[in-house]
Amino acid sequence: AQSVAQPEDQVNVAEGNPLTVKCTYSVSGNPYLFWYVQYPNRGLQFLLKYITGDNLVKGSYGFEAEFNKSQTSFHLKKPSALVSDSALYFCAVRDGDTGGFKTIFGAGTRLFVKA
Amino acid sequence: NAGVTQTPKFRVLKTGQSMTLLCAQDMNHEYMYWYRQDPGMGLRLIHYSVGEGTTAKGEVPDGYNVSRLKKQNFLLGLESAAPSQTSVYFCASRGLEIADTQYFGPGTRLTVL
Repeated sequence: AQSVAQPEDQVNVAEGNPLTVKCTYSVSGNPYLFWYVQYPNRGLQFLLKYITGDNLVKGSYGFEAEFNKSQTSFHLKKPSALVSDSALYFCAVRDGDTGGFKTIFGAGTRLFVKA
Repeated sequence: NAGVTQTPKFRVLKTGQSMTLLCAQDMNHEYMYWYRQDPGMGLRLIHYSVGEGTTAKGEVPDGYNVSRLKKQNFLLGLESAAPSQTSVYFCASRGLEIADTQYFGPGTRLTVL
């Protein structure tokens, strides 16, 4: 069965500093990995995804994520955090070898960027 | 192009009452999903559909039923609501390709007293 772990409930970072939000996954086949962001009282918005190829994926709003197959991780990063990045971030996975019908999400990590 | 819409936005039920949440998408997507979001639990998949007339169980299907009579609509039903079903419910849809992005609706906040 596929699963996603986001080990940190909350990440605190000062504005201008780099940020990392961690994600590890478990699938039986090839992983398709996603990051979404949720602002208060809103639905989830897509940030970026890893399908295949380059392990560093670039997405919206200056975010990027690094896929590491040996560590089964897909950490979200940004070189310089903004106060407006404060939100709830979700990592998600699909298992390519079981058809990829289901997308399973992690519990979410709340990012707080302090001015 | 409205994307994914959900009705209603808010609802308060008493224990034992029934209701139906409606999700509609105008992107001609084959796959549709219902999730519930609870603090500390993230998004958990309730049911999903891979096409008109098909449904399948997700991680937490008990107490819910779904129907996909039309491709653009995915209904989530609660036959006898319980306080444990107090949650925010999100609908999502995506295309056929395995790497296709999922698009989410704005959510329905349900309280069961």
